Amino acid sequence: DTGVSQNPRHKITKRGQNVTFRCDPISEHNRLYWYRQTLGQGPEFLTYFQNEAQLEKSRLLSDRFSAERPKGSFSTLEIQRTEQGDSAMYLCASSVTGLAGADTQYFGPGTRLTVL
Amino acid sequence: AQKVTQAQTEISVVEKEDVTLDCVYETRDTTYYLFWYKQPPSGELVFLIRRNSFDEQNEISGRYSWNFQKSTSSFNFTITASQVVDSAVYFCALSEARTSYDKVIFGPGTSLSVIP
Repeated sequence: DTGVSQNPRHKITKRGQNVTFRCDPISEHNRLYWYRQTLGQGPEFLTYFQNEAQLEKSRLLSDRFSAERPKGSFSTLEIQRTEQGDSAMYLCASSVTGLAGADTQYFGPGTRLTVL
Repeated sequence: AQKVTQAQTEISVVEKEDVTLDCVYETRDTTYYLFWYKQPPSGELVFLIRRNSFDEQNEISGRYSWNFQKSTSSFNFTITASQVVDSAVYFCALSEARTSYDKVIFGPGTSLSVIP
């Protein structure tokens, strides 16, 4: 069983450009999460999907951010008009909904974004 | 308000020493889950343990052990006979019933360095 994969692993862009990241969850995991992690901090929740439905979005997710999971499998996170403050590690996690209680989320290696 | 506190920002130990990483959480829920994750230099968060609020039994897994005390809202993590490979950032995290467990709130992390 392969783990969560994310592409690209690193992205350097200039301010104002658009970037898109991809996450492939563990197969048959119906939930997919996006987090942002800045240096020296823990991951912060951005949004999550159950199958193709986006069920929750953090206030951290400004209008410049959009996430999709069109077929309930892989997901993309797009940032438009990037700003230097967007520089961070973007982490994806997936889980399978259990009978009750919290799922265990399994994380990918992350995409490190640097905005110049 | 931060709901997961990891007061130790950085810890250094000599190989084979025991080390305890502290985690204090805050929640109004009676039902919640606690997690520990390890983030090695490669960046990928590795799941270590999940514990629900009704299970206060301490757990041991090899050199790892966890002490859950609801009375003090703490969920501490001990590594016995530390090894260089244990060097990583360790995150404690909380998931609450009132958010349907969907959001995992991470602490700021404790960076552990094990010196040979």
